[in-house]
Amino acid sequence: DIQMTQSPSSLSASVGDRLTITCRASQSISTYLNWYQQKPGKAPKLLIYAASSLQSGVSSRFSGSGSGTDFTLTISSLQPEDFATYYCQQSYITPQTFGQGTKVEIK
Amino acid sequence: EVQLVESGGGLVQPGGSLRLSCAASGFTFSSYWMSWVRQAPGKGLEWVANIKQDGSEKYSVDSVKGRFTISRDNAKNSLYLQMNSLRAEDTAMYYCARGRRNGGDSRGHYYYYMDVWGKGTTVTVSS
Repeated sequence: DIQMTQSPSSLSASVGDRLTITCRASQSISTYLNWYQQKPGKAPKLLIYAASSLQSGVSSRFSGSGSGTDFTLTISSLQPEDFATYYCQQSYITPQTFGQGTKVEIK
Repeated sequence: EVQLVESGGGLVQPGGSLRLSCAASGFTFSSYWMSWVRQAPGKGLEWVANIKQDGSEKYSVDSVKGRFTISRDNAKNSLYLQMNSLRAEDTAMYYCARGRRNGGDSRGHYYYYMDVWGKGTTVTVSS
């Protein structure tokens, strides 16, 4: 199975901050990488697919980049509604696997 | 409105069975791959299974192979997960999600992402 490792596991940030979350795959996955946001008690929400494509209806302050084994999710200016847990997920090989999550908290 | 609504969760003893359902509305159910994803209490997301539009292809994580079966009824706009031989480690919130599969390369890799999710149904396996 492909292991997905996110860093950091948690962070504290302020409204307006620029934020970058990293996801590393245990082997090359080209651009078969998605990002999801999950708020407490809610279902996940798709943000980015194919490493850098913004899902319809998602704010343009979210962006994704990377290929191969290293990927990043960037939030250009953190908003109050962005405090949540973020997960990366690879679809290159079955089983699809998720990272362990990055919890973004208010500083 | 595009919507997925899961049902069928509950408390079951180890070794028991449950059948989860997911009712889809607001989109042409038969045109999409569908998935189940679970989340144990306080833990991260775990993909469980996918099924193709016509049910001809199914994939699942090794930990549920031989115990869980994904299926669908396009006439009823419904997705199912039959769970047998349940274990304590199957305790989780189970989400139904709409899958999008496209692109890919000559080696059979495809882009797959889940763009619509239900609110989930809770499964607790305990004596």
